[in-house]
Amino acid sequence: AQSVSQHNHHVILSEAASLELGCNYSYGGTVNLFWYVQYPGQHLQLLLKYFSGDPLVKGIKGFEAEFIKSKFSFNLRKPSVQWSDTAEYFCAVNPNTNAGKSTFGDGTTLTVKP
Amino acid sequence: DTAVSQTPKYLVTQMGNDKSIKCEQNLGHDTMYWYKQDSKKFLKIMFSYNNKELIINETVPNRFSPKSPDKAHLNLHINSLELGDSAVYFCASSQDLTPGNTIYFGEGSWLTVV
Repeated sequence: AQSVSQHNHHVILSEAASLELGCNYSYGGTVNLFWYVQYPGQHLQLLLKYFSGDPLVKGIKGFEAEFIKSKFSFNLRKPSVQWSDTAEYFCAVNPNTNAGKSTFGDGTTLTVKP
Repeated sequence: DTAVSQTPKYLVTQMGNDKSIKCEQNLGHDTMYWYKQDSKKFLKIMFSYNNKELIINETVPNRFSPKSPDKAHLNLHINSLELGDSAVYFCASSQDLTPGNTIYFGEGSWLTVV
């Protein structure tokens, strides 16, 4: 069974700082990878995803993530965070052989100080 | 328009009671899910339905019974509620079972069992 590990449970940054949130997964086959975000009081929504092609994926609001297959990683980055990026961030993996079953990490709380 | 809507948003009930959470999606998706998020924010899949058929049933106590009257609705009924059932329950949907599909989440239902 696949699993997802997010290393940072709570990250606090000042505005304009750079962000990198770690995500590692365990699964030996082909996977699809996602980052979801949950802003305060809102539902989870897709930030970006990777399923094939260029391992550097760009998402909404200036976020990007890089799939490094050899490291089983899919870290999320943003060069300059804003106060409005304060949210919960969830990494998820869905193997090609396990239709309909996405496994989520336990989330990272990002707090951006104005 | 809310794509995935679930009711109620908040539910406080006593141990031993039976309760239901309703979910509807207006995206025309074939696949719907129930996820449970515990106090540590861990998001775990409970059930997955595709065109009203049960696809995934993850070691969930049989006190939990999902029902899908049509592919736009997936309700969750819980019998004999226990303290450990307190959590946030998220309904979600995706176009179909294709692994790379985005999952669209509802806003969550906060269940507190006292």
